[in-house]
Amino acid sequence: GAGVSQSPSNKVTEKGKDVELRCDPISGHTALYWYRQSLGQGLEFLIYFQGNSAPDKSGLPSDRFSAERTGGSVSTLTIQRTQQEDSAVYLCASSLGVGVSYEQYFGPGTRLTVT
Amino acid sequence: AQTVTQSQPEMSVQEAETVTLSCTYDTSENNYYLFWYKQPPSRQMILVIRQEAYKQQNATENRFSVNFQKAAKSFSLKISDSQLGDTAMYFCALTLPSGSARQLTFGSGTQLTVLP
Repeated sequence: GAGVSQSPSNKVTEKGKDVELRCDPISGHTALYWYRQSLGQGLEFLIYFQGNSAPDKSGLPSDRFSAERTGGSVSTLTIQRTQQEDSAVYLCASSLGVGVSYEQYFGPGTRLTVT
Repeated sequence: AQTVTQSQPEMSVQEAETVTLSCTYDTSENNYYLFWYKQPPSRQMILVIRQEAYKQQNATENRFSVNFQKAAKSFSLKISDSQLGDTAMYFCALTLPSGSARQLTFGSGTQLTVLP
């Protein structure tokens, strides 16, 4: 079946602009994760959604970052007032969720460049 | 908090040879899961192999196998009969089955190059 998809593949934006990154998880996967991959920080967890539960936002680096998951499926990561240090690859992953499987399946990522 | 350490930033191996990538981790939990992910230049993270901490038997997936030493908190990946397509960044990762998020904690990665 189809894997995790992310859009756009690449995004270049000017400092101070807002950006939205989209993730479509694998159908039937109830858990969805966002990670950030940057040269200086490696792979960092950002936020986690599980079903209808409140998201775990413990990895968000600042209040400029937010995420939503509508209808338990598609998720959007929003970065407001982008800064150069936000430049990174943003990866989305989904999994079957609690008690079934702990394997996370990743999308191809969105490369964000802030100029 | 959990930590994962990969001490080999880069490695190379001749095609058809065997290579071992190292990973150590730290957690106070007794039950956890360990993974090796592969990230080729396409950026797609691909699960290579997984190991459940309560299983003593080392996991194997075709040419890929692990050496899981729970007491030493070591989780190395062995790639046999290396192929050019194995060239990628390899990440070791850990997750806990308990707690709210179950996010992966990653090591810093090892860039593996398979030489023809």
